[in-house]
Amino acid sequence: RKEVEQDPGPFNVPEGATVAFNCTYSNSASQSFFWYRQDCRKEPKLLMSVYSSGNEDGRFTAQLNRASQYISLLIRDSKLSDSATYLCVVYAGNNRKLIWGLGTSLAVNP
Amino acid sequence: DTEVTQTPKHLVMGMTNKKSLKCEQHMGHRAMYWYKQKAKKPPELMFVYSYEKLSINESVPSRFSPECPNSSLLNLHLHALQPEDSALYLCASSQERGSSPLHFGNGTRLTVT
Repeated sequence: RKEVEQDPGPFNVPEGATVAFNCTYSNSASQSFFWYRQDCRKEPKLLMSVYSSGNEDGRFTAQLNRASQYISLLIRDSKLSDSATYLCVVYAGNNRKLIWGLGTSLAVNP
Repeated sequence: DTEVTQTPKHLVMGMTNKKSLKCEQHMGHRAMYWYKQKAKKPPELMFVYSYEKLSINESVPSRFSPECPNSSLLNLHLHALQPEDSALYLCASSQERGSSPLHFGNGTRLTVT
């Protein structure tokens, strides 16, 4: 089992749709969780840190489920500009490394 | 706008060349990183510096040589690279090594001919 797994997609959704991505992790000692977005041929940019209580930033909501060892990202009212690859990143304190998922590709269509 | 600056943006070099990639951050971060990214893959960690000391070398070939002259600067010296080393090289920084989120520079797109 991979340490961090994401559905690679691609997800093709119309503008205005709600879309959700999940990311599962295998290390129960994982402590910190992040979602990054990466546009084609650009650097990854931090979208959200994920907190135990869940957090929201505008149209984006992140949730953490420690019992089932997954995090989720919900995007409401999708915009064309949301088209990107969304990368899940997990930090496990026991090995002090950030582990990256392979990314989920999202295409928002007019 | 990125707060981590990388130069150059693009670099083409031959297999016998020596070149350097540069990275600078002024956020007071104490950890700096070099990542390599190939198309359709996530970034792959190469080196981590924490408080200006090398703390992780992910078994990177010696043709890549990192240097951290001070807390704001990070270099990656390249020598005798192979065509398969062509990739996007990303510099990142974080407040501390560990659970702090990474802030990436724009990257250097390297082509080895």
